[in-house]
Amino acid sequence: LAKTTQPISMDSYEGQEVNITCSHNNIATNDYITWYQQFPSQGPRFIIQGYKTKVTNEVASLFIPADRKSSTLSLPRVSLSDTAVYYCLVPPSGGYQKVTFGTGTKLQVIP
Amino acid sequence: ETGVTQSPTHLIKTRGQQVTLRCSSQSGHNTVSWYQQALGQGPQFIFQYYREEENGRGNFPPRFSGLQFPNYSSELNVNALELDDSALYLCASSLVAVSHMNTEAFFGQGTRLTVV
Repeated sequence: LAKTTQPISMDSYEGQEVNITCSHNNIATNDYITWYQQFPSQGPRFIIQGYKTKVTNEVASLFIPADRKSSTLSLPRVSLSDTAVYYCLVPPSGGYQKVTFGTGTKLQVIP
Repeated sequence: ETGVTQSPTHLIKTRGQQVTLRCSSQSGHNTVSWYQQALGQGPQFIFQYYREEENGRGNFPPRFSGLQFPNYSSELNVNALELDDSALYLCASSLVAVSHMNTEAFFGQGTRLTVV
């Protein structure tokens, strides 16, 4: 299983772009990178998933360099409601839900 | 709303008792996973069920057991409750695709279990 490392916490002001980087040095060829968001006392919510280069949806962008040993979740113009814990996952192919989440990155958005 | 519902939302039990938590999967999903989330920690994988069979287990003792029913709903049973079992228990459902592309898991709101 690819081990992931991400910052424990980050602070950002409202309206700024936030970039959270995750390292996954032993990612396997077929592994995808997935990010989840979790608010207190709620279940995690899927944000975005990617394999290489760049993926964008209505919520975020995911940047993955050519070596795929890291990835960066980019949240454009954050608001107070983006205050949450963000988890980077690299689940093994076919074993998606068996992954144990790390401690994630706690993002605090400041007014 | 993810379409995954868990019951009850909160529960208080005494050490040594047994508890059953329930999860109703999103329509069409054939896989359910259970997670334990202690305060301040990320979710820890307990086990996964695929088409009514256990399909992977995390580092949890046998007193944690589960079931998946033909309609793909699921139960998590915990026997001989310990104080450290106090946590948020999350259920996640998904449709396992036959490809390298991992499928999105949809989580319920969780059951907050307190063992006293």
